[in-house]
Amino acid sequence: AQSVTQPDIHITVSEGASLELRCNYSYGATPYLFWYVQSPGQGLQLLLKYFSGDTLVQGIKGFEAEFKRSQSSFNLRKPSVHWSDAAEYFCAVGAAGGSEKLVFGKGTKLTVNP
Amino acid sequence: SQTIHQWPATLVQPVGSPLSLECTVEGTSNPNLYWYRQAAGRGLQLLFYSVGIGQISSEVPQNLSASRPQDRQFILSSKKLLLSDSGFYLCAWSVLAGLTDTQYFGPGTRLTVL
Repeated sequence: AQSVTQPDIHITVSEGASLELRCNYSYGATPYLFWYVQSPGQGLQLLLKYFSGDTLVQGIKGFEAEFKRSQSSFNLRKPSVHWSDAAEYFCAVGAAGGSEKLVFGKGTKLTVNP
Repeated sequence: SQTIHQWPATLVQPVGSPLSLECTVEGTSNPNLYWYRQAAGRGLQLLFYSVGIGQISSEVPQNLSASRPQDRQFILSSKKLLLSDSGFYLCAWSVLAGLTDTQYFGPGTRLTVL
């Protein structure tokens, strides 16, 4: 079975600074990988996903993520953070070949200082 | 386009009272449907999922139940609420198309049990 680890529970950055949120997964085959964002009191919104092909994936709101098979990682990045990016971010992994379920990490809460 | 609705948005219930949360999806057919719970600081917990009408899989034993009376309707119920049932409940849908299972989330229901 697959599993996901987000090592950072809480990250604080200054507005305009770069951001990298870490995600490590465990899965014996090719994974499907996702990043979601959740603003307070709201549902989860899909930022980006990786299924195959180019390992650098572009998403909405200026986010990107890179799949590194050798490191079992799918880190989320943004070159310049905006105050509106303050939210909780969840990484998730699904099983390639079709699966009804995703496994989610416990989330990383991002605080943005002015 | 597809949309997902949840109601009510907020609910305050006494311990021992019944519960019914509803989720409906528009714009797609035969979706997979999911119920998740978020307790404070504990990430996403998958409670139930359904791949078709009347087909329910339970992930965690508890005093909650789920039903799917129609293709695009998913209901979460309880006969007697416990304090520990408080949390943020999220419904999600996915469609296995091309062996992908991206999940899309509703806005959530905040349940407080007093």
